[in-house]
Amino acid sequence: DTAVSQTPKYLVTQMGNDKSIKCEQNLGHDTMYWYKQDSKKFLKIMFSYNNKELIINETVPNRFSPKSPDKAHLNLHINSLELGDSAVYFCASSRGGRLEKLFFGSGTQLSVL
Amino acid sequence: GIQVEQSPPDLILQEGANSTLRCNFSDSVNNLQWFHQNPWGQLINLFYIPSGTKQNGRLSATTVATERYSLLYISSSQTTDSGVYFCAVDSLTGGGNKLTFGTGTQLKVEL
Repeated sequence: DTAVSQTPKYLVTQMGNDKSIKCEQNLGHDTMYWYKQDSKKFLKIMFSYNNKELIINETVPNRFSPKSPDKAHLNLHINSLELGDSAVYFCASSRGGRLEKLFFGSGTQLSVL
Repeated sequence: GIQVEQSPPDLILQEGANSTLRCNFSDSVNNLQWFHQNPWGQLINLFYIPSGTKQNGRLSATTVATERYSLLYISSSQTTDSGVYFCAVDSLTGGGNKLTFGTGTQLKVEL
């Protein structure tokens, strides 16, 4: 049983397209996150949701729109993809309203051509 | 924002050797975690350790919050320990829901 699962694992697309990444956790956690890892492996938070409410938005372009239909799911939709969006996107979750131990999904490698 | 520096940036070990990875941070923290990213990209949480010492098998970690550093010890290293080790912190003024990651230590364990 995968605790934090995200799909797809790989996403290759053309510039200008719109794409979505889905994430689900079965840990019963209240808080979910999206992190971006660049080509130099630097990890940076993008968004955080607690019980479906947005609590962190780290100056991410508004082409990126997270959506949380319930506390077990956090999806990421990206409009008008650009070359610079190529990266690995990680979903994560933690228990409670305040950050505790963080558990990551396996990542989605996005390549924009 | 808080700065997180890890050293060394790269490390090559012979199997069976021991090593210490260091994480320095620039502000007081209420949360510190160590992660291992394996060669397949999976991020595994090793320790949640805002202070004190914890051990898990061949790995142990110590955080001295008052001196703003944490250490990760790897004993009797194995090839499966290869990958990148990240330290991540949340500062006391950070709002409580955001981990800032260091730049990592790339470890390679050779036979």
